[in-house]
Amino acid sequence: TQLLEQSPQFLSIQEGENLTVYCNSSSVFSSLQWYRQEPGEGPVLLVTVVTGGEVKKLKRLTFQFGDARKDSSLHITAAQPGDTGLYLCAGDIERSGNTGKLIFGQGTTLQVKP
Amino acid sequence: DVKVTQSSRYLVKRTGEKVFLECVQDMDHENMFWYRQDPGLGLRLIYFSYDVKMKEKGDIPEGYSVSREKKERFSLILESASTNQTSMYLCASSLLGGPLYEQYFGPGTRLTVT
Repeated sequence: TQLLEQSPQFLSIQEGENLTVYCNSSSVFSSLQWYRQEPGEGPVLLVTVVTGGEVKKLKRLTFQFGDARKDSSLHITAAQPGDTGLYLCAGDIERSGNTGKLIFGQGTTLQVKP
Repeated sequence: DVKVTQSSRYLVKRTGEKVFLECVQDMDHENMFWYRQDPGLGLRLIYFSYDVKMKEKGDIPEGYSVSREKKERFSLILESASTNQTSMYLCASSLLGGPLYEQYFGPGTRLTVT
């Protein structure tokens, strides 16, 4: 089974704290995306990583793609209440036929308390 | 700005009714997807389409059908709605060619079947 496992599933922290969300698989991905979803809305694309070892920064968010392209992490520095939401990782399996279908992780629900 | 719209944000239907959910994208994307999202189960792919009049089953196609008569429009049909189809339905679109299969989501339709 092709799975993307995210951890932790739930995270409740105080404003100003740092956190890291992990996304792991036994499969190699051609690319991996991170999305954020607010309650009652659709997921919004945050970033795509493509190259093994790649690091991308989006303000206080840092995304890393593992060297072997099987895992990724999202680190948030000095979390703010506006960061609250569901974070999803998704990737397309290498040699999957290039259909554009993505495998989604189960998501990490983040709550940042003021 | 990329735009995916869904016909309704909230919908309440009775058991046995035929339900149409419509999705329109303005990005000239070849791929379009329908997912349902339920707590604890993540995003599950119902159907996807990579071209007009083309469709492929996803992971949970039972009880659903789709229609794609125009490139920009992808409809999800519940032939006879049942209570276990109460869920959040998300439409997404992406380019057919890689390497970045970034999906862009609509705001979702919260369907309740009573």
